[in-house]
Amino acid sequence: DVKVTQSSRYLVKRTGEKVFLECVQDMDHENMFWYRQDPGLGLRLIYFSYDVKMKEKGDIPEGYSVSREKKERFSLILESASTNQTSMYLCASSLGLSYNEQFFGPGTRLTVL
Amino acid sequence: DQQVKQNSPSLSVQEGRISILNCDYTNSMFDYFLWYKKYPAEGPTFLISISSIKDKNEDGRFTVFLNKSAKHLSLHIVPSQPGDSAVYFCAASEFGGYQKVTFGTGTKLQVIP
Repeated sequence: DVKVTQSSRYLVKRTGEKVFLECVQDMDHENMFWYRQDPGLGLRLIYFSYDVKMKEKGDIPEGYSVSREKKERFSLILESASTNQTSMYLCASSLGLSYNEQFFGPGTRLTVL
Repeated sequence: DQQVKQNSPSLSVQEGRISILNCDYTNSMFDYFLWYKKYPAEGPTFLISISSIKDKNEDGRFTVFLNKSAKHLSLHIVPSQPGDSAVYFCAASEFGGYQKVTFGTGTKLQVIP
């Protein structure tokens, strides 16, 4: 069974704080993704990575950065949190370049006050 | 620019009847389509997929239909069960895109016992 874990289920931060969201997968997947889910907007891709130290911008990368130092771990960083970054953040992973499904973590509900 | 659209935010169906969830896309480069199911407080889970070389794919109670000329796909659930109550996301990807998928906004399905 593929398992994707996220460091926190709920997080409350203040405006201007630096926020780290961690994601770990245990199935040796090459690809990892960060999404945010907002009502009426569905899942929007922030960043993804197809290999260690490689990253690609998704559809809404502004205000975010990522780090992938090890294959199993993909971190999302909010350099200076803002209230419009209050959202549900979902991490996912998938295997290789073929059309395999993505496996998601349980999500982190981030509130920025 | 919403490339994958689910125009019905919600749908209610009686238990035992058919549920039909619809999805439209605008990008003609999409050639692989997926449906995910999401329960509250959990990450999305993969349900069923279809390649553009097919027009139908079936898996138990779930069938996905693809109409490429209309850029439309639908998910049929027969018979619907209360446990199917969840948010369903349609997603699409293009060949060679490192599995970057574009998600729709989701349809919340309620199956009434």
